[in-house]
Amino acid sequence: EAGVTQFPSHSVIEKGQTVTLRCDPISGHDNLYWYRRVMGKEIKFLLHFVKESKQDESGMPNNRFLAERTGGTYSTLKVQPAELEDSGVYFCASSLHNRGFYNEQFFGPGTRLTVL
Amino acid sequence: KQEVTQIPAALSVPEGENLVLNCSFTDSAIYNLQWFRQDPGKGLTSLLLIQSSQREQTSGRLNASLDKSSGRSTLYIAASQPGDSATYLCAPRGESNSGYALNFGKGTSLLVTP
Repeated sequence: EAGVTQFPSHSVIEKGQTVTLRCDPISGHDNLYWYRRVMGKEIKFLLHFVKESKQDESGMPNNRFLAERTGGTYSTLKVQPAELEDSGVYFCASSLHNRGFYNEQFFGPGTRLTVL
Repeated sequence: KQEVTQIPAALSVPEGENLVLNCSFTDSAIYNLQWFRQDPGKGLTSLLLIQSSQREQTSGRLNASLDKSSGRSTLYIAASQPGDSATYLCAPRGESNSGYALNFGKGTSLLVTP
């Protein structure tokens, strides 16, 4: 069974440009999460989807970040316009929904974003 | 706000040693806690999930314990091997916010030398 996949693995863009990250969760996982780690800091939660619905956006840093999950399958995270402080590694995770808070989260390999 | 501290930040041991990684968290109202390992340039691999009602979980040479009331968890690695070299992350899932977000520590960087 395929794990969580993310694309691209690495993106280098200039300040002010737009970047879109993609995450494909494990098949059958209704919960999808985005996290990120910026240089020297802990991994921080960004947001959580259940199917196509956003359940918790409390970690989104500002309105330059837009996450979507149309159809409840894959998700995209768009940063527009990108700023230098957005550089970091963006992780996606997924979990089953059957046991609510008690399900294990499985992480993808991450997308390393560098904003110059 | 949940604060997660992992001690030590880095550890170097010779192959074969048993070792303990420590994790403490400030808010004891958690549903569960996951331990992950991260290899350089790679994603997070889930090692163990321990529910708040459990005291410990075991997987192979790994054993995680949880003392929810005191806000502590430990990861015990028996008979360490060079392949265990990685960064180990502790992540409790708190009852605050939506209850789904994991809160991470900065990790313990482990090096096992042959």
